[in-house]
Amino acid sequence: DGGITQSPKYLFRKEGQNVTLSCEQNLNHDAMYWYRQDPGQGLRLIYYSQIVNDFQKGDIAEGYSVSREKKESFPLTVTSAQKNPTAFYLCASTPLAGGYQETQYFGPGTRLLVL
Amino acid sequence: DQQVKQNSPSLSVQEGRISILNCDYTNSMFDYFLWYKKYPAEGPTFLISISSIKDKNEDGRFTVFLNKSAKHLSLHIVPSQPGDSAVYFCAAESHGQNFVFGPGTRLSVLP
Repeated sequence: DGGITQSPKYLFRKEGQNVTLSCEQNLNHDAMYWYRQDPGQGLRLIYYSQIVNDFQKGDIAEGYSVSREKKESFPLTVTSAQKNPTAFYLCASTPLAGGYQETQYFGPGTRLLVL
Repeated sequence: DQQVKQNSPSLSVQEGRISILNCDYTNSMFDYFLWYKKYPAEGPTFLISISSIKDKNEDGRFTVFLNKSAKHLSLHIVPSQPGDSAVYFCAAESHGQNFVFGPGTRLSVLP
């Protein structure tokens, strides 16, 4: 049963702490994306990766970092530099790099809360 | 500056009636549009899409209409069901650019 998994479902961060959100897909998709959702706002792109070992900043990359060492995995680290990290984080993928006129498939999301 | 706007944060409709969700965009380069449905604490799921070469696309109870001159698209759900209650996101894309999502409209279908 193919899909995108994100873990954990809820994550608590202490001030000054880095935390990593997991995203794994077994769809054999080339491209992967990280979005942030805040109340009353659409999904905003943090980072994306079209191919292994390559990634690009999205619209709100400051305070975040990513890696793409394997095709199926695209973890997101929320660093201490991100001053307002409380949000719902969504990982997505598309079959082909570029993803033009393709559907993005989303994971179930991780809610990050600050203690 | 929001390139994709959904000016109604919420909409309530009686079960069995038509739901009409609206989306406006400002970038004339957008040529592919999608609607996603999202339940609380879940990821969005794809609903329906339309390319700019069409003005209508239909899939069961869901129809998307595109008016390029007005830079406006709408999603019609007929008949509306309680299970349709969710947040609906409009998204737009142009070649070589990433998706841009609207802020969403929360639809409540009342039994």
